[in-house]
Amino acid sequence: GQQLNQSPQSMFIQEGEDVSMNCTSSSIFNTWLWYKQDPGEGPVLLIALYKAGELTSNGRLTAQFGITRKDSFLNISASIPSDVGIYFCAGQGGATNKLIFGTGTLLAVQP
Amino acid sequence: DGGITQSPKYLFRKEGQNVTLSCEQNLNHDAMYWYRQDPGQGLRLIYYSQIVNDFQKGDIAEGYSVSREKKESFPLTVTSAQKNPTAFYLCGTVEGKAFFGQGTRLTVV
Repeated sequence: GQQLNQSPQSMFIQEGEDVSMNCTSSSIFNTWLWYKQDPGEGPVLLIALYKAGELTSNGRLTAQFGITRKDSFLNISASIPSDVGIYFCAGQGGATNKLIFGTGTLLAVQP
Repeated sequence: DGGITQSPKYLFRKEGQNVTLSCEQNLNHDAMYWYRQDPGQGLRLIYYSQIVNDFQKGDIAEGYSVSREKKESFPLTVTSAQKNPTAFYLCGTVEGKAFFGQGTRLTVV
């Protein structure tokens, strides 16, 4: 099935470090979304992007909608232990306008 | 997220039985989605509905069925034809952004 390519698959970092993850697609999207999921819970929306080139921040999080509309990245600055979780990108667009999810990035933060 | 209710949170069924997962929303959103998540994997699209009385298959629709008779409700039935039904199921609505329920963990024994 369709899925976005998300990397890295996992990251193990020290508290205070910055983190970067990205998603790429062979299709053009009109919307890019970034989510965080805690174990056993539904994903929670972090940032939504609607325009190519758009750069949006939410506290320590920054995400960008790529100019080609085929990629997006998420940066987390000065990581803290509660940043631990799985981060997903999602893109929506194309003829069917389906919402497709990336494969996820597992983030572990050591205090 | 507020406004989307999935029930129950945990569900156990015997192999060969059909089971229906509930998803209700009060956000007045037209589009509703069902995803399946397996350990260590992303969300795979099962079915989605852009509007009442209409729905489309996602990437892994085999063994599942849905209905969309009301805007607020999008139940998912996991049939006995689904070969590996044990998973975490997420229902969401999409209106510019996607919002999710808390998920239902289905275990088939």
